[in-house]
Amino acid sequence: QKEVEQNSGPLSVPEGAIASLNCTYSDRGSQSFFWYRQYSGKSPELIMFIYSNGDKEDGRFTAQLNKASQYVSLLIRDSQPSDSATYLCAVNRGEYGNKLVFGAGTILRVKS
Amino acid sequence: EAQVTQNPRYLITVTGKKLTVTCSQNMNHEYMSWYRQDPGLGLRQIYYSMNVEVTDKGDVPEGYKVSRKEKRNFPLILESPSPNQTSLYFCASSSPGNRAQYFGPGTRLLVL
Repeated sequence: QKEVEQNSGPLSVPEGAIASLNCTYSDRGSQSFFWYRQYSGKSPELIMFIYSNGDKEDGRFTAQLNKASQYVSLLIRDSQPSDSATYLCAVNRGEYGNKLVFGAGTILRVKS
Repeated sequence: EAQVTQNPRYLITVTGKKLTVTCSQNMNHEYMSWYRQDPGLGLRQIYYSMNVEVTDKGDVPEGYKVSRKEKRNFPLILESPSPNQTSLYFCASSSPGNRAQYFGPGTRLLVL
């Protein structure tokens, strides 16, 4: 079992729809969780991080964390073609925030 | 401008020829890491450093060396590169209070 698992996709959604990206992790002691976006040929850029159970909203993005189910998700509302990218889920298993474990990523395609 | 820089961006080399990929950050971050990214495997941590002269192995350290003599620089050394080290390499930095990691632009390495 991989430490952080994501469906590789591609996930295709029409423009304006909600895209839902999911991630599960195996280490129950994980404390912080991150979503990165990576365009083809570019470096990952941070979208959101979440530490506590529940929802965290930032603009069109909502991160959801359920530690009991070991599940993290990212919702993108009003999806735009510019949101088409690979979304990486990352889990911190280091006490000092320095040991990130990444999922392989989900490819999102937003069709206009 | 706050940034992480890497050089070179692209490199083709031959088996056994020592090489160094440089990484520098101007954000005064204590933490720095090296990752490699391979299709289907995602980002995997090679080495990380929590401060000057403090380094430790990540998940895939074999065949790599690092050093941290200055806070801003964290070079990655391949003493005897092999074809299985052909990959896309990213350097990242972060500070203890903000656990988000900021990535450099990447170095694409081909070992023949």
